[in-house]
Amino acid sequence: EVQLVESGGGLFQPGGSLRLSCAASGFTFSNYWMDWVRQAPGKGLVWVSRINSDGSGVNYADSVKGRFTISRDNAKNTLYLQMNSLRADDTAVYYCARDPSGTNTFDPWGQGTLVTVSS
Amino acid sequence: DIQMTQSPSSLSASVGDGVTITCRASQSISNFLNWYQQKPGKAPKLLIYDASSLQSGVPSRFSGSGSGTDFTLTISSLQPEDFATYYCQRSHSSLGTFGQGTKVEIK
Repeated sequence: EVQLVESGGGLFQPGGSLRLSCAASGFTFSNYWMDWVRQAPGKGLVWVSRINSDGSGVNYADSVKGRFTISRDNAKNTLYLQMNSLRADDTAVYYCARDPSGTNTFDPWGQGTLVTVSS
Repeated sequence: DIQMTQSPSSLSASVGDGVTITCRASQSISNFLNWYQQKPGKAPKLLIYDASSLQSGVPSRFSGSGSGTDFTLTISSLQPEDFATYYCQRSHSSLGTFGQGTKVEIK
């Protein structure tokens, strides 16, 4: 069974940093593009970042460019999102998602991890 | 950047009703359009990709159509488990832009 499990969320201060992880299982992780998508409380889905299968290519939404870094460790079957210079509007549930075709088509998604940025 | 606009933002319908949700792109995106379903407290689920291709395991009462700038998601006969929020999303792009969502509620 394909499974994605996010971790690393919690309560963080504005200006702080954290790293989210997404542990993958049930498929050959190193063959797939992976993405992060976030959802602020009561709001819609917002794409955040994507990384290609070997980690050599990345893209970011303008809202996080320069502050967030996506990476992956194919030996550990794990996707990461390093989040720096946190702002209150980064508060959201963060989902990792597999992109089977490298076309920004997400299937499946993890269950999400909540990041709250507040003093 | 290309913007994705859904309408309506919410609708009320009864079990057995047919429902249509519209998604409009600010520029042509060919057939590069996905639809997702999200239930409260759950992760989104892929329903339709490439505008009209049904994802494996998704009931056939769901269908998608359109190309260029105008797209529709149709649920032919609403079932109790279909009450959820639906999102369109532009694919085949470096930016995976979503529409704002359409909430389908029980009348």
